[in-house]
Amino acid sequence: AQTVTQSQPEMSVQEAETVTLSCTYDTSESDYYLFWYKQPPSRQMILVIRQEAYKQQNATENRFSVNFQKAAKSFSLKISDSQLGDAAMYFCAYTYNYGQNFVFGPGTRLSVLP
Amino acid sequence: NAGVTQTPKFQVLKTGQSMTLQCAQDMNHNSMYWYRQDPGMGLRLIYYSASEGTTDKGEVPNGYNVSRLNKREFSLRLESAAPSQTSVYFCASSGTLGLAGASRYFGPGTRLLVL
Repeated sequence: AQTVTQSQPEMSVQEAETVTLSCTYDTSESDYYLFWYKQPPSRQMILVIRQEAYKQQNATENRFSVNFQKAAKSFSLKISDSQLGDAAMYFCAYTYNYGQNFVFGPGTRLSVLP
Repeated sequence: NAGVTQTPKFQVLKTGQSMTLQCAQDMNHNSMYWYRQDPGMGLRLIYYSASEGTTDKGEVPNGYNVSRLNKREFSLRLESAAPSQTSVYFCASSGTLGLAGASRYFGPGTRLLVL
């Protein structure tokens, strides 16, 4: 069974600094997709960034970037120039098809300190 | 383009009451999903619909029914609410192929409290 692990239940970062959130996953599939979702106190699940496993180039979305290490089954999220609005719960997620198998990690709560 | 919308935002029910959570998407997505989120449990799939006219059970379907009314709308019904169904409910949708097909786009959530 596919699993997603986020080993950091909580993280904090100073405003304007950089922080990296860790995610590892377990799969026997060769072609799959990985995601980071942000859930602020409003509870909305916001898609932050996504990566296709067959693409070696790491995805980037403005201040958000990933470090995708396929052999190590690692998918970390780097947030640069952290802002107060980045404070939220961050979930790593994985899927290998278009059906029901969309697996979420347990989440990392990120605090941003002014 | 509103994305995925859900109504109501918040609801309080008494044990045994019934209600329907409504979800609609305007992204022309084929697939739609209902999840529940409980503290310490992450998101769990209740039901999903791969296309109009089809529905399938997810991880935690007991106590729920769904209807895929048309391509845009996917409702979740609680026939006899129980305190164990107190949760935050999310509707989501996804496209057909590639990254759009794999991604989940979520609604704002419905917070349900069953007394």
